[in-house]
Amino acid sequence: AQTIHQWPVAEIKAVGSPLSLGCTIKGKSSPNLYWYWQATGGTLQQLFYSITVGQVESVVQLNLSASRPKDDQFILSTEKLLLSHSGFYLCAWSLWGGVIETLYFGSGTRLTVL
Amino acid sequence: GDSVTQKEGLVTLTEGLPVMLNCTYQTIYSNAFLFWYVHYLNESPRLLLKSSTDNKRTEHQGFHATLHKSSSSFHLQKSSAQLSDSALYYCALSPRGRALIFGTGTTVSVSP
Repeated sequence: AQTIHQWPVAEIKAVGSPLSLGCTIKGKSSPNLYWYWQATGGTLQQLFYSITVGQVESVVQLNLSASRPKDDQFILSTEKLLLSHSGFYLCAWSLWGGVIETLYFGSGTRLTVL
Repeated sequence: GDSVTQKEGLVTLTEGLPVMLNCTYQTIYSNAFLFWYVHYLNESPRLLLKSSTDNKRTEHQGFHATLHKSSSSFHLQKSSAQLSDSALYYCALSPRGRALIFGTGTTVSVSP
């Protein structure tokens, strides 16, 4: 069975500090990987997606970056947090069959920037 | 551009009453997929329903939805709400297969 593990569960960080969020998918080879973000009161926005190791596409510019160092790992990071980065971050995976049919989400990371 | 509209931010109802959550969308792509995702408290969002076929009813776990391309709608319905249906419901659109575009979500609160 496939599992998706996201870490940390929650973070409280200061403005200007660095951030690293991670996501690991087990039981599925070469998945498509995604980072989604939801600001308080907002909708889920796709930030990045990756269809293979080493390749990441940015969808929305939020002064964040993402990397896929391994087939099963997706990292979201920034060197300098902004207040506007607060929110709920979700990692997700899907299989690419010509069209996204189903996204499988992790449990998310709640980020508070003070 | 592509977009999804969920007009109701919060729906409160009594157990046993019918539920209808509205979803309309905008896209130029005729073969777009529409989805309903449900997010229960302290769980991950998960797929509830999906469809790309015009005028075909899709059902799962007592919920159903029919994609109507003529009106660009994909409303979610259930005949009788249960307490366990309390959750956040997202309508989503996949216009070209690369990204899901989510609506703002509708919180459903079911009381006894």
